[in-house]
Amino acid sequence: EDQVTQSPEALRLQEGESSSLNCSYTVSGLRGLFWYRQDPGKGPEFLFTLYSAGEEKEKERLKATLTKKESFLHITAPKPEDSATYLCAVQAGDRGSTLGRLYFGRGTQLTVWP
Amino acid sequence: DVKVTQSSRYLVKRTGEKVFLECVQDMDHENMFWYRQDPGLGLRLIYFSYDVKMKEKGDIPEGYSVSREKKERFSLILESASTNQTSMYLCASSLRRDYPTYEQYFGPGTRLTVT
Repeated sequence: EDQVTQSPEALRLQEGESSSLNCSYTVSGLRGLFWYRQDPGKGPEFLFTLYSAGEEKEKERLKATLTKKESFLHITAPKPEDSATYLCAVQAGDRGSTLGRLYFGRGTQLTVWP
Repeated sequence: DVKVTQSSRYLVKRTGEKVFLECVQDMDHENMFWYRQDPGLGLRLIYFSYDVKMKEKGDIPEGYSVSREKKERFSLILESASTNQTSMYLCASSLRRDYPTYEQYFGPGTRLTVT
């Protein structure tokens, strides 16, 4: 059973059309939630870490928020260069996570057209 | 900036060959990871290592082995490559801290094709 679920799988936006991506998780003992951006054919690029419910982080047109069950990545007035796959990952309270492993969602593929 | 490098961007091997994928990080990170990424399946953890000579199985270790003889280097070995191991392989590293962050930094990936 997936511990991290991202929705939607794919999202198409017109330039300037704001929206949100969702990441819901079922792990116990959340230690941290991470957002990554991945361009085609490249490795994921780290964006944010969130530690506790209520926390928010911003970077340019992106803002990440966290509740007790999910995180949102809000994209304000997106541009075509924001097109990418956005991955969410969590660090849980299990032994593997204590040793450093993360649990990744399958990602949301965002396309922003002019 | 953290830099994680992988030995090849593209690799083509034949079924049955032994394949070595190498990853090097330059930030003195304790943790290193190998993933494979396939369309529709996302990132799947193969093996990880939290210290030199230490390794832990991930979710799909079958058909793979790893080696970590030096802190900065983590190798993934396909003992006898098969076509179902055709994939994008990604290496990552992270700094081990008591708490709270374990953000992982990724290399550029190796696209492996087994024919």
